[in-house]
Amino acid sequence: DVKVTQSSRYLVKRTGEKVFLECVQDMDHENMFWYRQDPGLGLRLIYFSYDVKMKEKGDIPEGYSVSREKKERFSLILESASTNQTSMYLCASSLRQGVTWGYTFGSGTRLTVV
Amino acid sequence: QQPVQSPQAVILREGEDAVINCSSSKALYSVHWYRQKHGEAPVFLMILLKGGEQKGHDKISASFNEKKQQSSLYLTASQLSYSGTYFCGTATTGGGNKLTFGTGTQLKVEL
Repeated sequence: DVKVTQSSRYLVKRTGEKVFLECVQDMDHENMFWYRQDPGLGLRLIYFSYDVKMKEKGDIPEGYSVSREKKERFSLILESASTNQTSMYLCASSLRQGVTWGYTFGSGTRLTVV
Repeated sequence: QQPVQSPQAVILREGEDAVINCSSSKALYSVHWYRQKHGEAPVFLMILLKGGEQKGHDKISASFNEKKQQSSLYLTASQLSYSGTYFCGTATTGGGNKLTFGTGTQLKVEL
């Protein structure tokens, strides 16, 4: 089974800090995604990547950036954390480009910005 | 734009059936369905592609009506293990390599 591992389950950071959320997948998937999940809003796409060093903005990219230096690792960066970025962050991957492949999600990182 | 899911929440007795709907205002290329149990990652259930197909495994199946731009998830003879939040993810024609998820339907199955 494909495994998507997010480095932290819970994080508490201070306003203004630079925050790194790490995600690693172990099955050579091409696509990787970052979503945030908030009550009543479902999952909203922040950024995705379909290849090493390639990235595309999702629906809510403001205040975030990403890095994909290796195929298996996709990092989400909050340049200057703010309280409205308190959320559950989910990483996902899929085998190939396109939307005909199911996503495998990580267990999530619950980030609290104080 | 997010697809609209209905109902927002439903409570069933074990053995009852349920239908969850997912509607889009845009032409759809594919629809994904996922289930998320409390505190866990969403788990992939199935994909439906443009062509109006129906899919299913065990007692969970889904249909995709591309003309109406909607998909429905059918859960028959529900079990306690079906409890969770169900999300549809839609990909629009010409919308690129990404899914947009609905806000979810909370399903609770009771004895």
